[in-house]
Amino acid sequence: DIQMTQSPSSLSASVGDRVAITCRASQSISSYLNWYQQKPGKAPKLLIYAASSVQSGVPSRFSGSGSGTDFTLIISSLQPEDFATYYCQQSYSDPQMYTFGQGTKLDIK
Amino acid sequence: QVQLVESGGGVVQPGRSLRLSCAASGFTFNNYGINWVRQAPGKGLEWVALISYDGSNKYYADSVKGRFTISRDNSKNTLYLEMNSLRAEDAAVYYCAKEEHYVNIAFMDVWGQGTTVTVSS
Repeated sequence: DIQMTQSPSSLSASVGDRVAITCRASQSISSYLNWYQQKPGKAPKLLIYAASSVQSGVPSRFSGSGSGTDFTLIISSLQPEDFATYYCQQSYSDPQMYTFGQGTKLDIK
Repeated sequence: QVQLVESGGGVVQPGRSLRLSCAASGFTFNNYGINWVRQAPGKGLEWVALISYDGSNKYYADSVKGRFTISRDNSKNTLYLEMNSLRAEDAAVYYCAKEEHYVNIAFMDVWGQGTTVTVSS
């Protein structure tokens, strides 16, 4: 099974900061990597698909990069509404057996 | 608008069964695979199962294989998750999520609000 490891597990930052969250796969997954944002008590929301494609309606301050085993989600200038938990997810496994990273909780410094 | 609405959650004793439903609207349901994803209290997201657009292919996480069954009724635009032999560790919020593809890369672009399953004697 493909394991996904995010770092850091938690992160404190201020409004206006540039933030990077990394996700590492236990084997190469090409660009089969997606990022989701989840706020307390709410369903996850898709931010980035295929490693670097920004979902429609997602602010341009969110970007994704990487391929193979190492991926990064960048928020260029944190806004108050960005404080949330972020998850990466791989969809490379065949047969399909998707896995999520453990999550990165981003809170206000 | 595109919407998924889960129902059927509740309190169930260990070893018993429960069936969850997910009603879809706003898109052509029988064109898309649908996932179940769960989240135990205070924990991260765990993928549970996926069913293909026509129901011909089903995939499960090892943690639920042999106990849970995913199915769909395209005439009713509804997805199901039959959960048997429930355990304490199955307690979670269960989300259904529509699958989309970019080239061959799958992702979940629409999520329901979730339904809560509590397993307790």
